[in-house]
Amino acid sequence: DAGVIQSPRHEVTEMGQEVTLRCKPISGHNSLFWYRQTMMRGLELLIYFNNNVPIDDSGMPEDRFSAKMPNASFSTLKIQPSEPRDSAVYFCASSTGINNSPLHFGNGTRLTVT
Amino acid sequence: DQQVKQNSPSLSVQEGRISILNCDYTNSMFDYFLWYKKYPAEGPTFLISISSIKDKNEDGRFTVFLNKSAKHLSLHIVPSQPGDSAVYFCAASARGGSYIPTFGRGTSLIVHP
Repeated sequence: DAGVIQSPRHEVTEMGQEVTLRCKPISGHNSLFWYRQTMMRGLELLIYFNNNVPIDDSGMPEDRFSAKMPNASFSTLKIQPSEPRDSAVYFCASSTGINNSPLHFGNGTRLTVT
Repeated sequence: DQQVKQNSPSLSVQEGRISILNCDYTNSMFDYFLWYKKYPAEGPTFLISISSIKDKNEDGRFTVFLNKSAKHLSLHIVPSQPGDSAVYFCAASARGGSYIPTFGRGTSLIVHP
């Protein structure tokens, strides 16, 4: 079990640039989550998918953020254009989708927007 | 408005002593509670959970206590070990929220040898 795989581990970009974060969930997991961690707000849910379908994107901060899950083994989180306040650690997590099953997190992408 | 609150950003404990991490919640619909542990440069990992029908759940050195009337839960680690040094996140979920966990801001635990 390779766990949830995120790439890149670190991303440094300039304000206004497009950023794409990638995630490969654990095989067989039906639910996928994108979280953002900041000092001020802790871990906040951005969006989650069930069976590749976005269920709740109310946590997505602005239209600059978008997420896709084209198949069961891949998801992306895109920020366009990026801003310095987007700097944070972005985590992807997956779960079996069974009620109260724990989330399995990737190691995160640390994004710095200058 | 944080629905899950961890009011202590950090906690320092001597090796061998008990660590007590606290968590408060405001949403009375929460019926399942979890603790996650996070090491630097890694993602959070699930540690222990408790359903609202229980008031205690134990797993080795880790015990979670739930006080529903006070909307309070705590994680006890005994005895504490240096390897327990990490950030601990409290999380809560509700059936009405599709069981998606809401996380607190975390408490950084340092266990001194």
